[in-house]
Amino acid sequence: GNSVTQMEGPVTLSEEAFLTINCTYTATGYPSLFWYVQYPGEGLQLLLKATKADDKGSNKGFEATYRKETTSFHLEKGSVQVSDSAVYFCALTILFNNDMRFGAGTRLTVKP
Amino acid sequence: EPEVTQTPSHQVTQMGQEVILRCVPISNHLYFYWYRQILGQKVEFLVSFYNNEISEKSEIFDDQFSVERPDGSNFTLKIRSTKLEDSAMYFCASSYRQGEYEQYFGPGTRLTVT
Repeated sequence: GNSVTQMEGPVTLSEEAFLTINCTYTATGYPSLFWYVQYPGEGLQLLLKATKADDKGSNKGFEATYRKETTSFHLEKGSVQVSDSAVYFCALTILFNNDMRFGAGTRLTVKP
Repeated sequence: EPEVTQTPSHQVTQMGQEVILRCVPISNHLYFYWYRQILGQKVEFLVSFYNNEISEKSEIFDDQFSVERPDGSNFTLKIRSTKLEDSAMYFCASSYRQGEYEQYFGPGTRLTVT
């Protein structure tokens, strides 16, 4: 079946540290991959996406590259800020499929 | 920027009562979804809706649940007889197309069943 496995949290970093949150997937079709972010008390916001192999999604300093050979879509940021503290969800959809499959979420806390 | 809205933001109900959660998707979107997130757990798909009918549903979406698009703008989720385990955050989402297109999520309704 289609699923996403995400690095367990929580993750605590100091401001300006490098961030990596691992995400791997299994899919029967050819997935599109997404990272969503959930700030405290808010809903899910799309952070970035990639729809084909070797695509790099980027937004707000975050990046993730669709790696078909390793079935991965790891999220990275070179220098995190306190305002990046949130829960990050990796997700996938399959063409002509209707449900988005989410990872378990990784809580990131950035300390000043 | 257009956004998905949901009301109410928090609903408290007693076990056995009916609740209706409301959503207004983005106006030119064609596909509508409900997801839920039990506290501290992953976001789970409930149902998708297209062309005025359910196109897909998960095993969670049993006979106690129903969805409706009563007019051109609202999309509702009804839980007929709530159970304690229905307590969760419920997210509505919409997309222009299915599959590779991203889904836009509302802020969620927190349902508390007592």
